[in-house]
Amino acid sequence: GDSVTQMEGPVTLSEEAFLTINCTYTATGYPSLFWYVQYPGEGLQLLLKATKADDKGSNKGFEATYRKETTSFHLEKGSVQVSDSAVYFCALSNNNDMRFGAGTRLTVKP
Amino acid sequence: GAVVSQHPSRVICKSGTSVKIECRSLDFQATTMFWYRQFPKKSLMLMATSNEGSKATYEQGVEKDKFLINHASLTLSTLTVTSAHPEDSSFYICSAPSSGRAHDTQYFGPGTRLTVL
Repeated sequence: GDSVTQMEGPVTLSEEAFLTINCTYTATGYPSLFWYVQYPGEGLQLLLKATKADDKGSNKGFEATYRKETTSFHLEKGSVQVSDSAVYFCALSNNNDMRFGAGTRLTVKP
Repeated sequence: GAVVSQHPSRVICKSGTSVKIECRSLDFQATTMFWYRQFPKKSLMLMATSNEGSKATYEQGVEKDKFLINHASLTLSTLTVTSAHPEDSSFYICSAPSSGRAHDTQYFGPGTRLTVL
């Protein structure tokens, strides 16, 4: 079945460092891909998404490109801030089904 | 934007009792809703897909007789944890796609913290 494999955390970075969180997927057909974020004490919310190959999702300085050839959707940000500290979940949606990665906890230190 | 609510936000119950958690889409209709369980420091685990007007689809390893799901209307799905035990203590989250198609963006409820004593 479909699955998402996400880079394990936790990840600790200094402010203004470059961030990459790897995500690869296995799926039949053409899934939609998402990154969700959960800030401390809050519910999950959509960060960005891409619905077809080569699409780039972007929001709040974060970017991810849907790479069908490598079945990847890596999350990147050029300069992280303390306020980016959260848990990030890669997810796919395919044929009325949802799959999540394990989540990566990011801590950004001043 | 679309809003999904959950009630209660927190519940403490005795072992052996049943607990019902409600998930409502407040400004849109959802023929499909999803129920998840989030373990501390671990992944968000999809438990089941709730379908309005038909039976829920459960993920492998999830006991359907223990976690009863009823999608009574286009804006309400309920998860009942029957005969709860301490190992059922967890954070339960629901989500719904605003377009009605699971393929689209999910809107998540704030979650329900269940503690079974």
